[in-house]
Amino acid sequence: LAKTTQPISMDSYEGQEVNITCSHNNIATNDYITWYQQFPSQGPRFIIQGYKTKVTNEVASLFIPADRKSSTLSLPRVSLSDTAVYYCLVFSGSARQLTFGSGTQLTVLP
Amino acid sequence: DGGITQSPKYLFRKEGQNVTLSCEQNLNHDAMYWYRQDPGQGLRLIYYSQIVNDFQKGDIAEGYSVSREKKESFPLTVTSAQKNPTAFYLCASSPIVERVYEQYFGPGTRLTVT
Repeated sequence: LAKTTQPISMDSYEGQEVNITCSHNNIATNDYITWYQQFPSQGPRFIIQGYKTKVTNEVASLFIPADRKSSTLSLPRVSLSDTAVYYCLVFSGSARQLTFGSGTQLTVLP
Repeated sequence: DGGITQSPKYLFRKEGQNVTLSCEQNLNHDAMYWYRQDPGQGLRLIYYSQIVNDFQKGDIAEGYSVSREKKESFPLTVTSAQKNPTAFYLCASSPIVERVYEQYFGPGTRLTVT
């Protein structure tokens, strides 16, 4: 399984765009990238998944450069309720399990 | 509403006792998973099941046992052999194990063993 590295914590202000970058230098050809969000004392929630270039949904965008050694989760105009831990995961198409790291604690300030 | 339920939300047990955590889903998902989360840590996989009557060990299966007699139910037993059982336990499911990334999580059970 590819190892991921992401910042331990980030602060932002309401209304700003937040970009959280994840490094995965040894990503394999058939690996996918996915991001989860977790609020305190709750289970994680799937946000977005991608393989290359850009993916956008109603919640976030995911940018993946051509070499796929990193990815950036972009949250537009964050609010206080976006304060949570965000996990970057890399897994192969044949994977039967996910590996969660420690994630990035995002704190949105008023 | 479809979803995953875990009960109870909080559970207290004395050391040396086995305890069973409940997980039920009505999403008609084939695959189910159990994770453990310690303070400030990510999730670690205990067991997963691809289909009824089948289950596989995850990264930290020692001291735990599971059963999958029905598609909608995947109970986890924390045995007295588990050295540090106090933790937050999360159950999840996905449509099929090939869509492992599309996991839906339950609200969790916080187990405290003293």
